[in-house]
Amino acid sequence: DAGVTQSPTHLIKTRGQQVTLRCSPKSGHDTVSWYQQALGQGPQFIFQYYEEEERQRGNFPDRFSGHQFPNYSSELNVNALLLGDSALYLCASSRETSFSYNEQFFGPGTRLTVL
Amino acid sequence: QKEVEQDPGPLSVPEGAIVSLNCTYSNSAFQYFMWYRQYSRKGPELLMYTYSSGNKEDGRFTAQVDKSSKYISLFIRDSQPSDSATYLCAMSGPGNTGKLIFGQGTTLQVKP
Repeated sequence: DAGVTQSPTHLIKTRGQQVTLRCSPKSGHDTVSWYQQALGQGPQFIFQYYEEEERQRGNFPDRFSGHQFPNYSSELNVNALLLGDSALYLCASSRETSFSYNEQFFGPGTRLTVL
Repeated sequence: QKEVEQDPGPLSVPEGAIVSLNCTYSNSAFQYFMWYRQYSRKGPELLMYTYSSGNKEDGRFTAQVDKSSKYISLFIRDSQPSDSATYLCAMSGPGNTGKLIFGQGTTLQVKP
């Protein structure tokens, strides 16, 4: 089992550009969440996708959008990049169950640098 | 005020020491309390989770939750150099919403 995979590993963009990050969930998982982790900070929740729909959203502007595909993989898109968007972007997957706790497994992240 | 507060450290201890890591929170609706470990240039990995108040032990790790004080702790016994990492507390609720609220993370260094 490859676990959660993300691509690319690193990315350098300039202000105003657009970027797309990709995530493949752990085998058997159907829910994908995205987090932004600035240097020296804890991850911040961006949004979560389940059944190809955005189910929850954190306090991020509309420049941040996403998509989930029928195979449960997901993309995070960020438009009109700002310097402050420089961060590690983490994808986490989980399996929706009737149990009370659904553990989220994190990928290694994509390091985005905006110049 | 942040929903979850965590001292960023850094915390440096000798090998074999008992380590205490702590977080406070303001949202009384939180029901699930997690501790993640993050090595440099890696994603967080779950160490332990606790539902509501109480203690949970797993090997050298013990997690404690005191909902009345809105305070959670992680204790590491017999710390090892391989425990050197950033430790993140995270919380969610009410219910299992999937949205995790993280603390800032505490950087721990265990010296041989």
